[in-house]
Amino acid sequence: TQLLEQSPQFLSIQEGENLTVYCNSSSVFSSLQWYRQEPGEGPVLLVTVVTGGEVKKLKRLTFQFGDARKDSSLHITAAQPGDTGLYLCAGEMGCVDNNNDMRFGAGTRLTVKP
Amino acid sequence: DAGVTQSPTHLIKTRGQQVTLRCSPKSGHDTVSWYQQALGQGPQFIFQYYEEEERQRGNFPDRFSGHQFPNYSSELNVNALLLGDSALYLCASSYTSGTGRSNTEAFFGQGTRLTVV
Repeated sequence: TQLLEQSPQFLSIQEGENLTVYCNSSSVFSSLQWYRQEPGEGPVLLVTVVTGGEVKKLKRLTFQFGDARKDSSLHITAAQPGDTGLYLCAGEMGCVDNNNDMRFGAGTRLTVKP
Repeated sequence: DAGVTQSPTHLIKTRGQQVTLRCSPKSGHDTVSWYQQALGQGPQFIFQYYEEEERQRGNFPDRFSGHQFPNYSSELNVNALLLGDSALYLCASSYTSGTGRSNTEAFFGQGTRLTVV
């Protein structure tokens, strides 16, 4: 079982639509990252959220960290075909031993049709 | 400034063989983590190297081992390959501060696609 559950698993929308993808866990994370990955490539970091309730914006992308630091959401406004890709969330576990052991969700595969 | 580089990009091995994958971290980074990503899945943490030692390990068998060199580059070795080891192997680098706490912003290489036949 995944420590981080991402939903939906697949999402196919038309250009110009809005969408939200979710990343949920029963565990508390000291920080959470969102990555975007294209086929055959490594994940590319989009944002890191650290504080419960934090909201970060990156152009048309809005990221929110849950108040309890157990969940996060990514909202995309007016999606474009270039947004197509696998969106991964990764949470950093506790800092008991100062190691940043990142755990990934299975990802949401987004397809934006022109 | 080169980012994280991995070699080779693709590899085909026969079941039972051994394989070595290589990673050079981003300039200024001293910590290397390895991940296995099966098709359609998120990356799974294998282990992390810092100061030439393995300091954290995920749920992978001893067939998976690694090494970090004084220049911070790293190798991932897999012995007795199984068909199920076929995956994209990702290397991520980050920086560990003087307090020993690794920066959470990891940068990934493009991966090595391993196919076991």
